[in-house]
Amino acid sequence: KAGVTQTPRYLIKTRGQQVTLSCSPISGHRSVSWYQQTPGQGLQFLFEYFSETQRNKGNFPGRFSGRQFSNSRSEMNVSTLELGDSALYLCASSLDGQPNQPQHFGDGTRLSIL
Amino acid sequence: DAKTTQPTSMDCAEGRAANLPCNHSTISGNEYVYWYRQIHSQGPQYIIHGLKNNETNEMASLIITEDRKSSTLILPHATLRDTAVYYCIVSPHSGGYQKVTFGTGTKLQVIP
Repeated sequence: KAGVTQTPRYLIKTRGQQVTLSCSPISGHRSVSWYQQTPGQGLQFLFEYFSETQRNKGNFPGRFSGRQFSNSRSEMNVSTLELGDSALYLCASSLDGQPNQPQHFGDGTRLSIL
Repeated sequence: DAKTTQPTSMDCAEGRAANLPCNHSTISGNEYVYWYRQIHSQGPQYIIHGLKNNETNEMASLIITEDRKSSTLILPHATLRDTAVYYCIVSPHSGGYQKVTFGTGTKLQVIP
């Protein structure tokens, strides 16, 4: 069974640009969550999608947005990039996001802002 | 969400059992204990989870105390590939959705 796939693995952008990251969940998983991981802040929750609807959102500015498609694939977009957005962006999927279901993570997209 | 406390680092000899403790004294009755690990440059990997009974899978065993205030992850025969940061977390209340939050975790070093 294929795991969570994130593309691209690495990305270099400059300040002010925007970026779109993609996530394909495990087949049959309908809940997709996004996280930002940095050495200083650790793992921070961005948002969670289920059945194309955002169910929960973390404390990030509106520059961070996402969406989920009918096949459960998800994208996140960051506009007007800032230096502080350099991080590893992780996507995780589970069956439907209930507390008794583990989340399975992809290997992330490492975003570097110059 | 219940907070967890783990030792900062541990060493384990290759081939021996690695026992990683976690304290979650404020856990609620319907909250699950989860263990993940993260190897450098990779995404976190799910290991095991449980509610109150001990659990075992192909990767590890999870021992939860009767009062559920602490747990131990056991890697029965540690290998060099088990060197990673191990995170113990507690899931949100039932009826909510999962939002994984890692603490500082335990850095396990498996020594040849």
